[in-house]
This record gives sequence, C-alpha cells and structure tokens, in this order.
Amino acid sequence: KAGVTQTPRYLIKTRGQQVTLSCSPISGHRSVSWYQQTPGQGLQFLFEYFSETQRNKGNFPGRFSGRQFSNSRSEMNVSTLELGDSALYLCASSSFQGPYEQYFGPGTRLTVT
Amino acid sequence: GIQVEQSPPDLILQEGANSTLRCNFSDSVNNLQWFHQNPWGQLINLFYIPSGTKQNGRLSATTVATERYSLLYISSSQTTDSGVYFCAVGSYSGGGADGLTFGKGTHLIIQP
Repeated sequence: KAGVTQTPRYLIKTRGQQVTLSCSPISGHRSVSWYQQTPGQGLQFLFEYFSETQRNKGNFPGRFSGRQFSNSRSEMNVSTLELGDSALYLCASSSFQGPYEQYFGPGTRLTVT
Repeated sequence: GIQVEQSPPDLILQEGANSTLRCNFSDSVNNLQWFHQNPWGQLINLFYIPSGTKQNGRLSATTVATERYSLLYISSSQTTDSGVYFCAVGSYSGGGADGLTFGKGTHLIIQP
C-alpha cells in the first residue's frame, strides 16, 4: 500500500509569512506525528494527533500548530515565520496511538529567507 | 525527558567490513526504532525493536531493555549503506503517547 505522503516537498517563504504543510498517512493509520529536523537541534517531536485530537506536544512555541481531519490527513501550520524555522519537516504515521512502529514520509524542506 | 546517546558519531569503513552502532537511553521505553536516513532526507525503517533480537539480511539489531541499550549490526558493508543511522525511543503511558526521541545519529561512510 502507498506510504506516507507529504506536500509540498519544497517551500521557500519570507520572514513573517505563514505556511501550511500537509501529510497523508498510510491507509488505515490513525495516528500522525510531526517532527522538525535542523542541523543544530537534530530531530525533534512537534506534536501527535489521533482521532482528530492533539494528544501530545513537544517543546515548541505556539506559532506551531496542527490539526487532523476525519480521514486522518493532517496539516501543520507555522505562523510568523522566523529564519530559524528553516528545516526539514517530517510526518509519521502509525496504526495505533503510542508505542507502535512509526513510518515516515519524505518530508517538506522549508526555507525561510 | 528521555535522553538518547548514539555512538560512535562518525564511522568510516572499507567495503566488506562489519560494524556495530550503539544506542543508550536513559529511561524505560516501550518503543525503539532504528532508521537509515537517505540522502534526500527520508527516514527508512530498519527495525522496530523495543526488546529482543531481529535480523533482516545483512542487518541485525538487539535491544536489552533492562540495561537500556540497543545495538545495530551491519555485516559485509556496501557503499549503499552509507548515510546517517538514527535510533529513536518512545514511551506510552496509557493516557497518551510521547513522540519519538531521537539520538544525534551515527554518520557512516563506506569507502569502496
């Protein structure tokens, strides 16, 4: 079956703008998690959604938000972009909430200028 | 939160060599995964191994949960094995799931 898909794959934005990234999980998976990868901080957990509810959130400012739709697709939004938000944003899905194996999408590479 | 340490940070080997990558974690976990990140950034699942031993071709992994470490073995290395290998751990407490906590990775270079 098809893997996790993310759109767009690449994005260039200007400081102060906002951006929305999209993630479609593997068919049948109901849990979606988002991660940020930067050279300085590595891979960091942003938040997790299950059944349209945010179940857990990492240590990121409120400018980072997300939501999940009834078909399990998820979006994350970053408002008032800063240069430090330039990163690879990865989405992962799993068939159950919690400890079960997570499968990652190809990522969205965001550049903020 | 949980701390994850991977060693070595960098490893350069000749094609055909064997290698062992280590992952230490600071607390009890019930999710441990090994990934290989390809040059385009995608994380490729290698093993889901919160405990025990698994093998997949030239790769195998062992997690000793009681001693809080996991090992990834790569035998007969090929140049295509080059890349960054990540260990990630997580825990589930019933009321919700923590996200995966990643180590900083081991950057493996296999020379022909």
